[in-house]
Amino acid sequence: DQQVKQNSPSLSVQEGRISILNCDYTNSMFDYFLWYKKYPAEGPTFLISISSIKDKNEDGRFTVFLNKSAKHLSLHIVPSQPGDSAVYFCAAKTQGGSEKLVFGKGMKLTVNP
Amino acid sequence: NAGVTQTPKFQVLKTGQSMTLQCAQDMNHNSMYWYRQDPGMGLRLIYYSASEGTTDKGEVPNGYNVSRLNKREFSLRLESAAPSQTSVYFCASSDRDRYSYEQYFGPGTRLTVT
Repeated sequence: DQQVKQNSPSLSVQEGRISILNCDYTNSMFDYFLWYKKYPAEGPTFLISISSIKDKNEDGRFTVFLNKSAKHLSLHIVPSQPGDSAVYFCAAKTQGGSEKLVFGKGMKLTVNP
Repeated sequence: NAGVTQTPKFQVLKTGQSMTLQCAQDMNHNSMYWYRQDPGMGLRLIYYSASEGTTDKGEVPNGYNVSRLNKREFSLRLESAAPSQTSVYFCASSDRDRYSYEQYFGPGTRLTVT
């Protein structure tokens, strides 16, 4: 059973516009969420994270929103740039001592010039 | 700092052959991980090591063994490779003393089993 779901496999936006990437989860014991970006032939790199005690975290052009009641988080990129074109993974950590992360299947973002 | 390094970058094996994927990190992290990435499947955890001398199974451990040789190195061994193990393998590390839970990934090993 997939605990972290990224239901849309791809998204295409115009440069300068907003990109919104969505992620849903089923496990109410998740207490920390992360977004990773991955370029082809490279390893994933950390982008931004949010604790379950917050509902928003911002870092430059990237903002993550968390709606715990809906078990939903989203990543907003404003303004989108062609260099943002990559696969984005949502990940979650379970409450407790383990640092293990559960990843979604990823979403491919294409930002067109 | 090199971060997380993996060798080899590419490998082609025949069914039944064995090989070891090497991973090392220079960030003094306690925890290390092995993932595989398959098309449409995201990143799936194979094995995890919280500290030197300890290892735990992840979501897809069958067909693999691991060794946490020391704090820096965590290797993944395929004893008898199967075509189903064709994948891209990523090693990662993290520091549980930090609150961020961020994992740092290596560049990956692309493995093909024929």
